[in-house]
Amino acid sequence: AQTVTQSQPEMSVQEAETVTLSCTYDTSESNYYLFWYKQPPSRQMILVIRQEAYKQQNATENRFSVNFQKAAKSFSLKISDSQLGDTAMYFCAFMPPNTGNQFYFGTGTSLTVIP
Amino acid sequence: NAGVTQTPKFQVLKTGQSMTLQCAQDMNHNSMYWYRQDPGMGLRLIYYSASEGTTDKGEVPNGYNVSRLNKREFSLRLESAAPSQTSVYFCASPPGFGPGTRLTVL
Repeated sequence: AQTVTQSQPEMSVQEAETVTLSCTYDTSESNYYLFWYKQPPSRQMILVIRQEAYKQQNATENRFSVNFQKAAKSFSLKISDSQLGDTAMYFCAFMPPNTGNQFYFGTGTSLTVIP
Repeated sequence: NAGVTQTPKFQVLKTGQSMTLQCAQDMNHNSMYWYRQDPGMGLRLIYYSASEGTTDKGEVPNGYNVSRLNKREFSLRLESAAPSQTSVYFCASPPGFGPGTRLTVL
């Protein structure tokens, strides 16, 4: 069974500082996709960043980057220069191959950026 | 290119009423999903469709039906709404999500 664990239900960070959100997953697959989604109070699910397991290079999108450790099955999200607009719920998601592209979501981390 | 669109955005129903949530994607994807999200919780899969003509149950399918009308469209129907179905509903065609439907059942 595929599982995704986000062990930090809530986090806070000072504006302009850096924060790391953790995510681990369990799978026997060798190739898959990993995602981080942001859900602000508007409830819209916004794709922040994605990583393909066969790529060793960590994905980056502006202030957002990941630390992908395939052997450890770890996929953490680093947010640099945190901004007030980063306040949101963040979900880690795993997508194995050959399951109709089904997502498996973690329970989320609520991030608050403090001015 | 709108990605994933959903209608309606908001809906209030009385117990026992029925309604259909519409979802469409313009990305030519095969797979589409319906999730529900209850307050303070993550997303739970209701139904999904791996390709046109196929549908499968997810984690919480009871009380719902789906139709994969064609490759673009995937609808979710509540035949007899119950207060326990009050939730926010998301359609997804990975990795994109629709904007969500806030449903309240009185």
